[in-house]
Amino acid sequence: GAVVSQHPSWVICKSGTSVKIECRSLDFQATTMFWYRQFPKQSLMLMATSNEGSKATYEQGVEKDKFLINHASLTLSTLTVTSAHPEDSSFYICSARDLGGFSGELFFGEGSRLTVL
Amino acid sequence: DQQVKQNSPSLSVQEGRISILNCDYTNSMFDYFLWYKKYPAEGPTFLISISSIKDKNEDGRFTVFLNKSAKHLSLHIVPSQPGDSAVYFCAASEGAGGTSYGKLTFGQGTILTVHP
Repeated sequence: GAVVSQHPSWVICKSGTSVKIECRSLDFQATTMFWYRQFPKQSLMLMATSNEGSKATYEQGVEKDKFLINHASLTLSTLTVTSAHPEDSSFYICSARDLGGFSGELFFGEGSRLTVL
Repeated sequence: DQQVKQNSPSLSVQEGRISILNCDYTNSMFDYFLWYKKYPAEGPTFLISISSIKDKNEDGRFTVFLNKSAKHLSLHIVPSQPGDSAVYFCAASEGAGGTSYGKLTFGQGTILTVHP
């Protein structure tokens, strides 16, 4: 099946620094990628929809200036957590839809665990 | 507003028995439903899906049932195995064609523990 890769799988950073997480579709092109966030013992929450070549669409309550999303190519989307704080510590997961795939069938990355000290 | 709800946070089952995970939804525009399995520190993996035109879909040990009138779906795992122990999320998607195409709404998840 299609593979979506995230990097880094985990990162520890100091408060106030920025962290970039990459999401790559390895064997298919994705005009749309999605970024989710999961807090412990909670559901996956959609943060934003990343559109290749255009601005991302953010969900209500998600700060677009804090969570910068760039989708520069059909195989790469990046999420940058700017001026990270301990409350940003979470598990961030991306997903991508194969252009030739079925409705609703998404392929997920392995996730990136962010810990802000 | 939680549009997809999994009201049981956890479920414990004996190996070999049936596991039944439940999910309710409120958005009548949802027409495609999926179940994902997630191990700690990993991304979710797709298990099985069902379109609203069906009421049952089976794949090996996994069967998903959809009751549209009740806005309820369930995942049956038979027989349950210890390796099935994980968090299970149900998810729903609105119809294709709009800007929400591919966007999933997840339930809170149910922790399944299968005891040997």
